[in-house]
Amino acid sequence: ETGVTQSPTHLIKTRGQQVTLRCSSQSGHNTVSWYQQALGQGPQFIFQYYREEENGRGNFPPRFSGLQFPNYSSELNVNALELDDSALYLCASSFGGSEYNEQFFGPGTRLTVL
Amino acid sequence: KQEVTQIPAALSVPEGENLVLNCSFTDSAIYNLQWFRQDPGKGLTSLLLIQSSQREQTSGRLNASLDKSSGRSTLYIAASQPGDSATYLCAVENSGYALNFGKGTSLLVTP
Repeated sequence: ETGVTQSPTHLIKTRGQQVTLRCSSQSGHNTVSWYQQALGQGPQFIFQYYREEENGRGNFPPRFSGLQFPNYSSELNVNALELDDSALYLCASSFGGSEYNEQFFGPGTRLTVL
Repeated sequence: KQEVTQIPAALSVPEGENLVLNCSFTDSAIYNLQWFRQDPGKGLTSLLLIQSSQREQTSGRLNASLDKSSGRSTLYIAASQPGDSATYLCAVENSGYALNFGKGTSLLVTP
């Protein structure tokens, strides 16, 4: 069984640029959630995709967008990067539609915006 | 809006001690509660998940309890080891999709 993977591991961008982060869900999972974790804080929910549709969204502006593909992998896109977007971005996969909705996290992508 | 608080923020104990980490939440209408471990700069490792209808879950040296009515959960670690040093995060799900996290408890177990 393959766990959740994310790419790239680290990324450095400058303010105003755009970035795409990628996530492959765990085998058998159909739901992907994205979280942003600033230094010293708990992760904050960005959005979730269930069977290629956005299933819920946290308090993040529209410049944060996403996609889920037929194989249930996912992308997080951030436009017009700001300094405060510097954080660890975590992807989690789960089997949606069940009460036992345990989420399994990937290793994260560390984004630094200069 | 769900607020999750973890106490203490940091904890240092000698190896072999039993310890308790605390988590409280403001909205008791939860689906489940999950405890995670995070090593510095790394992703989250799921430790235990307690469904809203359950009172506790156990895995090895770890035991997590849930008191939904009072909005509290505890994570008990028995016979702590230096390898247990990490940040422990509590998260509750009460929307059907989003996890709401506390800020975590940073644990250091000294040899």
